[in-house]
This record gives sequence, structure tokens and C-alpha cells, in this order.
Amino acid sequence: KNQVEQSPQSLIILEGKNCTLQCNYTVSPFSNLRWYKQDTGRGPVSLTIMTFSENTKSNGRYTATLDADTKQSSLHITASQLSDSASYICVVSEYGNNRLAFGKGNQVVVIP
Amino acid sequence: DVKVTQSSRYLVKRTGEKVFLECVQDMDHENMFWYRQDPGLGLRLIYFSYDVKMKEKGDIPEGYSVSREKKERFSLILESASTNQTSMYLCASSTPGQSEAFFGQGTRLTVV
Repeated sequence: KNQVEQSPQSLIILEGKNCTLQCNYTVSPFSNLRWYKQDTGRGPVSLTIMTFSENTKSNGRYTATLDADTKQSSLHITASQLSDSASYICVVSEYGNNRLAFGKGNQVVVIP
Repeated sequence: DVKVTQSSRYLVKRTGEKVFLECVQDMDHENMFWYRQDPGLGLRLIYFSYDVKMKEKGDIPEGYSVSREKKERFSLILESASTNQTSMYLCASSTPGQSEAFFGQGTRLTVV
């Protein structure tokens, strides 16, 4: 069973609108959670990292939240731009383990 | 900036051929990983290495082998390529305990 579940699988939004992506995980013990952005045909690039004690972190128009109690994270994109069209992947690290647990990604398409 | 370089962006090989995918990182990272990424399945770990000449199987090692003779280089080998190995292959590196994996640009392999 996948330890990281993301929703929605895909969404289409109008340029300038906001959207929120969800990530639920079961990884334990938890170390941290990262959101990656992957443009088509490219490798993933890290957007934010959330540790156990952090609730919210922003990177420009991207804001990530973490609720370590319910094991949920979200990524909010504000005032979307065409360049935000990409796959957003939630990645969770297990404490003391080199391996990473990947979600299958949220495919976002921004249309003019 | 960390740089992870994969030798080819696109590759077309025939069934039964031996295929080498090369990955080089310039940040002296101990950990290196090979993933494949398929639509609807997300990133799946094939093999990883935590030191020179050390390797561990990931979730889908069948049909693949790896080589790590030098710290900066991690090679993925398909001994006899098959059409079900057509995929996007991503290499990544990280330091132990560091959650961020730095990815290469990916190699789109097509086996015909």
C-alpha cells in the first residue's frame, strides 16, 4: 500500500486563480515532508520542506502546510501562472531511513 | 548548486540489447538512487547505493543491475532490454540524513 496519497490526481485551473493540493501519509516515524515540482520532461525540483514542528512555510506563491497529528499536508498555489503547469509530488522521509516515500503527484494544468 | 547529470535525455534501444544509463553528481553525496517513473504509478525505486561498491535493491529491481565504482558515478544496467522497461528513468543523490534528494533531468528510454 502506498504510504503517500495525493489528491486530486489532476486539475485544470484558470490563470490567476488559486488552488490547493492535498497529501496524506502514513510514514512513521516521520522525519520531514517535501513538495517537489516536476515540469514535463524534467527531473523534480524541491519547493519546500516541512519538519515536525512546522505548520506553514511559504516559497513565493507556494504555501505548504503540515498537520503532523493527522498526517496531512497541503500545497496552496496563489494567483496561478501558466508556468505553474507541472506535476507536484509529495515526498515523505522516514526518520533514520535513507529511503523516501513518494506520492504519485498532482498534475496541474493552468490555462489562460 | 548541486548538479546531477544523466548521460542521455532520450534513448531508443532494441529488445535484447544491453543498456547503460549513467549518472554523475558533483556534490560528494554518499547516497545515490535510480527511479523509474510511469504514468499513474509515480516514482518507484529500482536500486540505491549508500557508498562506493555498496548497493541495495529497491522496490522493483527485477531486470536491472547497478554499479558504483566511484562515489560520483552510479550506473543503471539493463542486461537485456525489454519493451516493459520503456520508461522515464531518474537518478538522484543525497547525503545521509538529508531529506532532499537532488534529481537529474531524466532519461526517456524507449525499447522497441
